[in-house]
Amino acid sequence: GQNIDQPTEMTATEGAIVQINCTYQTSGFNGLFWYQQHAGEAPTFLSYNVLDGLEEKGRFSSFLSRSKGYSYLLLKELQMKDSASYLCAVRKGTYKYIFGTGTRLKVLA
Amino acid sequence: DAGITQSPRYKITETGRQVTLMCHQTWSHSYMFWYRQDLGHGLRLIYYSAAADITDKGEVPDGYVVSRSKTENFPLTLESATRSQTSVYFCASRTRDRGPYEQYFGPGTRLTVT
Repeated sequence: GQNIDQPTEMTATEGAIVQINCTYQTSGFNGLFWYQQHAGEAPTFLSYNVLDGLEEKGRFSSFLSRSKGYSYLLLKELQMKDSASYLCAVRKGTYKYIFGTGTRLKVLA
Repeated sequence: DAGITQSPRYKITETGRQVTLMCHQTWSHSYMFWYRQDLGHGLRLIYYSAAADITDKGEVPDGYVVSRSKTENFPLTLESATRSQTSVYFCASRTRDRGPYEQYFGPGTRLTVT
């Protein structure tokens, strides 16, 4: 089957670092995506990994281990505006994307 | 304005009525998608389209119909709305040829079926 698991909710303090984990089991793999979704808004693209390792983009980094079916999104220097849901998605083949249910991150002052 | 738009943004309809949700993108992206988002579920693919006049079913297509006569438009029709189709619907698009193949999402349509 195919399954993506993420924690439902996380809480962190402004200025801190938080790591959001994602594990996946899919019959095909063609890249892993992270999206940010603020309440009532559309998901927006954050990062993409297709090879093992770390991709860094400013305050956000994403890591992938294909052999372990594991990824994480690392958010540094947390800001209040980072309070949102973070969606992990795996691309299978050309067009099929499987999304996790998302991790709701609350950043506290 | 450039981008991907959806209309209406909010819709209330009754069980059994036909409803069409519109999606329009100005990037000339080849691929377009319709998802629904419900609590406890991730985004689930309803239909996708690889180009004008090419569409195919996703994970949850029952009760929905799509068409794509022009590259920029991808309407989704609920033929006879049911309460289980109450959801937030997102349209998305992406390029065919240039990675990383991220999707760009429209603002969503919140549909309530009473």
